Amino acid sequence: EIVMTQSPATLSVSLGERATLSCRASQTVSSNLAWYQQKPGQAPSLLIYGVSTRATDIPARFSGTGSGTEFTLTISSLQSEDFAIYYCQHYNSWPPVWTFGQGTKVEIK
Amino acid sequence: QVQLVESGGGVVQPGGSLRLSCATSGFGFSGYGMHWVRQAPGKGLQWVAFIRYNSSHKYYADSVKGRFTISRDNSENTLYLQMSGLTVEDAAVYYCVAFHDTKGEAFWGQGTLVTVSS
Repeated sequence: EIVMTQSPATLSVSLGERATLSCRASQTVSSNLAWYQQKPGQAPSLLIYGVSTRATDIPARFSGTGSGTEFTLTISSLQSEDFAIYYCQHYNSWPPVWTFGQGTKVEIK
Repeated sequence: QVQLVESGGGVVQPGGSLRLSCATSGFGFSGYGMHWVRQAPGKGLQWVAFIRYNSSHKYYADSVKGRFTISRDNSENTLYLQMSGLTVEDAAVYYCVAFHDTKGEAFWGQGTLVTVSS
């Protein structure tokens, strides 16, 4: 079973600053790595899939990188609407089992 | 406009059963694999179950295997989750998710809350 570990648990960032979120897999994973954003009281929404491809209508300030076991979500310049919890997800091709990280909360500094 | 609307949540006693539904519209439901994901209050996301577009394959998280059953009705564009032997650890918001990895699509419902309490 693959375990996804995110760090840090909480990230305090000022408006306009860069945020870097990390996700580590317990074993090498393919490119089936996604990032989601979740705001209070809402369902998660897809930001990035395939490690680095932005989902439809996602702003260019969100970028994903990584390979093997180490992955990163970068938000280049934090906007007020970006303060939320972010989850990484490994989605296995077959069987289609999913594993989520425990989340990183991005809060206002 | 894509819509996924879960229903059927509520309060149930430990050991009880509940059936969740997810009514969908606005996308080709019969061509999508469908998942259930849950989130306990204040906690992270946990994958629960998957069903292939034609119901030929079903997979479950170990924590629910043997107690939960996922099914779908493509004629009604609806996904189901039959839950039995519920414990307090099953209390969560349950989301249905339509996922297409090559298209980069992940459609989530708004969730339905299941509370397990005596």
